[in-house]
Amino acid sequence: AQSVTQPDARVTVSEGASLQLRCKYSYSATPYLFWYVQYPRQGLQLLLKYYSGDPVVQGVNSFEAEFSKSNSSFHLQKASVHWSDSAVYFCALSYNTNTGKLTFGDGTVLTVKP
Amino acid sequence: DTTVKQNPRYKLARVGKPVNLICSQTMNHDTMYWYQKKPNQAPKLLLFYYDKILNREADTFEKFQSSRPNNSFCSLYIGSAGLEYSAMYLCASSRAQVSNERLFFGHGTKLSVL
Repeated sequence: AQSVTQPDARVTVSEGASLQLRCKYSYSATPYLFWYVQYPRQGLQLLLKYYSGDPVVQGVNSFEAEFSKSNSSFHLQKASVHWSDSAVYFCALSYNTNTGKLTFGDGTVLTVKP
Repeated sequence: DTTVKQNPRYKLARVGKPVNLICSQTMNHDTMYWYQKKPNQAPKLLLFYYDKILNREADTFEKFQSSRPNNSFCSLYIGSAGLEYSAMYLCASSRAQVSNERLFFGHGTKLSVL
C-alpha cells in the first residue's frame, strides 16, 4: 500500500531564511507527487506537482520541490520565506489508477517569524 | 470562477441524528471528492463521484452516503452521527479522472457531534 510521511509536524523559521519541508513516500513504482498548502481560513491549494522529467519542479510563490527516486523523497524548498508563507503544507501522492485519488501526509505547520 | 463552495461552514449535530453536507462547483468538473480531516491527521478520502458513478472507499463504505443530482452539486450524508464523525469535511473537484490532475478544494465544513 502507498503512504506519505511528513516527519516534521511543525517548523518555525525566521523571515528571509531558507526552508525545506520534508516528504517521504512509499510506493512500488514512481507515483505522481504533489504539494498542497492551506492558508488560514482557506481551502487547500496546489503549490506544485511532479510526474516525470526534470526532478526539480517549480511551483507558485517561488516554491520548488525535488524528486528523488533513490531516497523516495519529494522535499519542498524555498530560498527566502515571507511571513505570508505561514500555513499548513501537505505532501500527497497519486498512483496510476485513472482516478484523482490522493494519499496525503499528516501535514507540516509552518510558522514564519517576522 | 475556480471555486468549490461548501455549506454550511460549521455544523452541529446530535448523536444518532442524520447529517447532510453540501458542496457545489461551477467549473463543470467531472469528478467530485469528499475527504475527512481530523486534527493533526492527513485528509482521508471517503468517496468520489466520476460523472454519475459513485466510488466509496472500502473502510468507510457503510458510514457515508452521497448523491450527485447534477454535475455541479454533491452531498455527503451520514445516517446516524456518532462522536467519531466529528471532523472537518473537505469537498474537492477535478477536471478529469486522471492521476496527475489538480484538485480544487472548498473551505471545508467543520462538523461537531455532541
